[in-house]
Amino acid sequence: AQKVTQAQTEISVVEKEDVTLDCVYETRDTTYYLFWYKQPPSGELVFLIRRNSFDEQNEISGRYSWNFQKSTSSFNFTITASQVVDSAVYFCALSAANTGNQFYFGTGTSLTVIP
Amino acid sequence: DAGITQSPRHKVTETGTPVTLRCHQTENHRYMYWYRQDPGHGLRLIHYSYGVKDTDKGEVSDGYSVSRSKTEDFLLTLESATSSQTSVYFCAISESLAGTATGELFFGEGSRLTVL
Repeated sequence: AQKVTQAQTEISVVEKEDVTLDCVYETRDTTYYLFWYKQPPSGELVFLIRRNSFDEQNEISGRYSWNFQKSTSSFNFTITASQVVDSAVYFCALSAANTGNQFYFGTGTSLTVIP
Repeated sequence: DAGITQSPRHKVTETGTPVTLRCHQTENHRYMYWYRQDPGHGLRLIHYSYGVKDTDKGEVSDGYSVSRSKTEDFLLTLESATSSQTSVYFCAISESLAGTATGELFFGEGSRLTVL
């Protein structure tokens, strides 16, 4: 069975603080993919990153960075020097190669950046 | 932006009436999905399609049916709407890369359905 857990329901930070959003996943497949999506207040879902299970290198994109650790089944997302525009709901998702391209989402973390 | 159009974007209906939501894509992607989003539940898969006339159930498929007669269109039907089906519905598409590799999901703008 596939499962994604985002234990943090809501987080509030003051602008310019760093914040880490946690994502823990469960799968028995050896080939799988992890994703992060952003849903701003306007409601659309925006793709942020895809990572496959064979690539544990951390990735940085501007103020965003992702830490993938298979040993702890975690794929955490850090925003450095947060900005008000980062306020959104963030979803972590999992797709395993042997599950017919189904995607499993966590329940999301609502991030509020206070100016 | 991925070419995904959902219609209608907003709908209010009464309990017991049939409702059909349409998803149209211009990307020629193989996979299409219907999700519902509810507070506290995140995104839950209703049905998905892996080709024309090839569909399968997701985790919350009861009360919903789907059809895909063309690559570009994926219809979600509520045969007899209930208040518990009040939700925001998202269509999504993805492409399989090099065999079983999973490409990312691209989402439509969502359809807000209210069942009174």
